Amino acid sequence: NAGVMQNPRHLVRRRGQEARLRCSPMKGHSHVYWYRQLPEEGLKFMVYLQKENIIDESGMPKERFSAEFPKEGPSILRIQQVVRGDSAAYFCASSPRTGDPHEQYFGPGTRLTVT
Amino acid sequence: AQTVTQSQPEMSVQEAETVTLSCTYDTSESDYYLFWYKQPPSRQMILVIRQEAYKQQNATENRFSVNFQKAAKSFSLKISDSQLGDAAMYFCAYTYSGGSNYKLTFGKGTLLTMNP
Repeated sequence: NAGVMQNPRHLVRRRGQEARLRCSPMKGHSHVYWYRQLPEEGLKFMVYLQKENIIDESGMPKERFSAEFPKEGPSILRIQQVVRGDSAAYFCASSPRTGDPHEQYFGPGTRLTVT
Repeated sequence: AQTVTQSQPEMSVQEAETVTLSCTYDTSESDYYLFWYKQPPSRQMILVIRQEAYKQQNATENRFSVNFQKAAKSFSLKISDSQLGDAAMYFCAYTYSGGSNYKLTFGKGTLLTMNP
């Protein structure tokens, strides 16, 4: 059973470009959480999605950031018009709908660098 | 809002010794889970141990154990017989378990290094 997959692992963007980060949850998992880790900081919650639904986006900046988890395919975190302050590691985690939903399995993260 | 505080930015331990990492949290809820995650240089987040708040017994996983003091809102991690592979960032995390949204609130982390 493959773990949570994220790609790309490293992404370099110039200021003003768009960044698309992908997360494929573990097989059988229908809940996805996105977190951001700024340098020297802990992870901070951004958004919680279930298939085709955004459940909680309270941690996501109001502008330039969006997330989706379509019926088919990976979850996407999209950052438009990136700025230097967006440089961070972005982690997604997935959990199952049944069984033990409290335990989240993390992907390896995408390290975004904005130049 | 829930907060998690790790007051030790850095700790060091010698191989085979025991080290304790501190964590305090603030919540008005009675139903919650607490976790310790390990983040080695690879940045992969690895679950070390978890504690359900309704359980009085402290969780243990091999060399890792916790001291959960619910009234004091304290959740420390003890690593026994420390090994080189234990060197990493350790994050304490909290989630409310009374609903269906299990987003995690993390502390800022403690960097554990091994003394030569």
